[in-house]
Amino acid sequence: TQLLEQSPQFLSIQEGENLTVYCNSSSVFSSLQWYRQEPGEGPVLLVTVVTGGEVKKLKRLTFQFGDARKDSSLHITAAQPGDTGLYLCAGVLGGSQGNLIFGKGTKLSVKP
Amino acid sequence: ETGVTQSPTHLIKTRGQQVTLRCSSQSGHNTVSWYQQALGQGPQFIFQYYREEENGRGNFPPRFSGLQFPNYSSELNVNALELDDSALYLCASSSLFRGSEQFFGPGTRLTVL
Repeated sequence: TQLLEQSPQFLSIQEGENLTVYCNSSSVFSSLQWYRQEPGEGPVLLVTVVTGGEVKKLKRLTFQFGDARKDSSLHITAAQPGDTGLYLCAGVLGGSQGNLIFGKGTKLSVKP
Repeated sequence: ETGVTQSPTHLIKTRGQQVTLRCSSQSGHNTVSWYQQALGQGPQFIFQYYREEENGRGNFPPRFSGLQFPNYSSELNVNALELDDSALYLCASSSLFRGSEQFFGPGTRLTVL
């Protein structure tokens, strides 16, 4: 059973479109992080959210942490081909040693 | 500030062999975590080291072991390699005093034949 369910698994869109990626769980997380990973490379941290209801913006990317700290979303406005990559959400369970629990990822392809 | 580095980049081994992967943590970080990422999957937590001691372990058998050195660098050792051990092995460094943000190295791609 996957503790963090990420959807959709694959997304192929045209440049300029908007998209949202979801990360859901039945568990409460003390924090949640979003990473972007290129093929053959390590994940690169995009943002960390820690407070229920928190919204953070990074240029065209908007991240939201659910009020109950069980879910999160990533919204990209006017996607660019450079946004192509694997987007991973990862949570830290309260009381844990701080290890990250990852979703399976969303593979995004933005076509020019 | 130096980022997380890992070596080697790629490695090919045969079933039953042993392998050692190395990681240098980001400066200022005292904690190292290791993750295994199979093709098409998210990373899975193997274990974490803090102050040279194992500080948490995921659902991996004892043939996966590790070390952390006084300079906070770390090794991951895998004995009796199996075909399913083929994966990208990621090292992440963090500071227990600065929250849970973890910064990843580029990974070591291990192929077991």
